[in-house]
Amino acid sequence: DAGVTQSPTHLIKTRGQQVTLRCSPKSGHDTVSWYQQALGQGPQFIFQYYEEEERQRGNFPDRFSGHQFPNYSSELNVNALLLGDSALYLCASSFGTDNEQFFGPGTRLTVL
Amino acid sequence: SQKIEQNSEALNIQEGKTATLTCNYTNYSPAYLQWYRQDPGRGPVFLLLIRENEKEKRKERLKVTFDTTLKQSLFHITASQPADSATYLCALDGDSSASKIIFGSGTRLSIRP
Repeated sequence: DAGVTQSPTHLIKTRGQQVTLRCSPKSGHDTVSWYQQALGQGPQFIFQYYEEEERQRGNFPDRFSGHQFPNYSSELNVNALLLGDSALYLCASSFGTDNEQFFGPGTRLTVL
Repeated sequence: SQKIEQNSEALNIQEGKTATLTCNYTNYSPAYLQWYRQDPGRGPVFLLLIRENEKEKRKERLKVTFDTTLKQSLFHITASQPADSATYLCALDGDSSASKIIFGSGTRLSIRP
């Protein structure tokens, strides 16, 4: 049983560019959450998707957007990249209202 | 908004001793509180969840307590081993909908042989 997978593992972009990160949830899970983790900090909640809709959103600007597909996989899009967007982006999946989350290995984004 | 504070950035203890990590929160009482382990360069791994009506929960060498009066959770690892060295994160629901999860900044635990 595959756990949560994310792609790519690493990404280097320049300021102003746009990026798309991908996540496949653990088998049987229908809810996907995205987090941004800066070095030495805890994960910061970006948003959560359930039934292809954004259910909750953290304090992130509209440059951060997402999508969930009918197969429950998800994408995180970030437009107009800033240097401060450099971080580890984590995807976590869960089932329904179950609070236990399973995290993927993350995508390390570097903005130059 | 909800805030979480994990009191120690780093904790160093001798192998075999009990490690105790602290998580304090402000504002409203969360419906639940979770603890995760994170190794360098990896995603967090879920360890334990404790609900607001539970005072204590155990799993093997791990024990979590939840004091809604003090607004505090304690996480204990008994008979600690070098393999327990990692960053431990506390997390709780960020608002009444319980789908928005807030993480603390973590405590880096080092167990020396």
